[in-house]
Amino acid sequence: GQSLEQPSEVTAVEGAIVQINCTYQTSGFYGLSWYQQHDGGAPTFLSYNALDGLEETGRFSSFLSRSDSYGYLLLQELQMKDSASYFCAARGNAGNMLTFGGGTRLMVKP
Amino acid sequence: KAGVTQTPRYLIKTRGQQVTLSCSPISGHRSVSWYQQTPGQGLQFLFEYFSETQRNKGNFPGRFSGRQFSNSRSEMNVSTLELGDSALYLCASGEVGTHNEQFFGPGTRLTVL
Repeated sequence: GQSLEQPSEVTAVEGAIVQINCTYQTSGFYGLSWYQQHDGGAPTFLSYNALDGLEETGRFSSFLSRSDSYGYLLLQELQMKDSASYFCAARGNAGNMLTFGGGTRLMVKP
Repeated sequence: KAGVTQTPRYLIKTRGQQVTLSCSPISGHRSVSWYQQTPGQGLQFLFEYFSETQRNKGNFPGRFSGRQFSNSRSEMNVSTLELGDSALYLCASGEVGTHNEQFFGPGTRLTVL
């Protein structure tokens, strides 16, 4: 089976940088994804790491260390619209099955 | 391209009834996955269909079933509904590739009374 742990809540101020960590235990692992979900909305894809290292997409970056079973999402220059829940999700095989972490609720304050 | 569509958006049923939810993936996507989202259990994988075949299955009872048609549209069915089946049911479509990006539909909010 698979399990992913991430903090339940994080608070930061506008313009700051925040890091959301994710540790995983899996019987099979192909990669780690990150999704954003606003209240009442659907999850939207942010990034995917299959290999160790940092992936950068605009203000968002994601990191993976397979040897440590650890990843993180880094959000820079925080904006109020970044207030949302963020989920890490492990891909366990060659298909599209994702196991999600419990989600981190990010609150951005002015 | 049009996004993933799900119908109906809201549904109210009573215990013991059955329900069928529908999902139309993004044109060209052959993989369709279903997830259940609840405040207590979070996002949980139900099953994935690829080219009309169930490729992956989550840890849900046999009351939950699905299928995929030749045009990649998918349906999921829940029989003998229980109160605990109240949830947001999300469908996601995607292609298997290096970025593993999945596109979620708006979901069907099922309430079981």
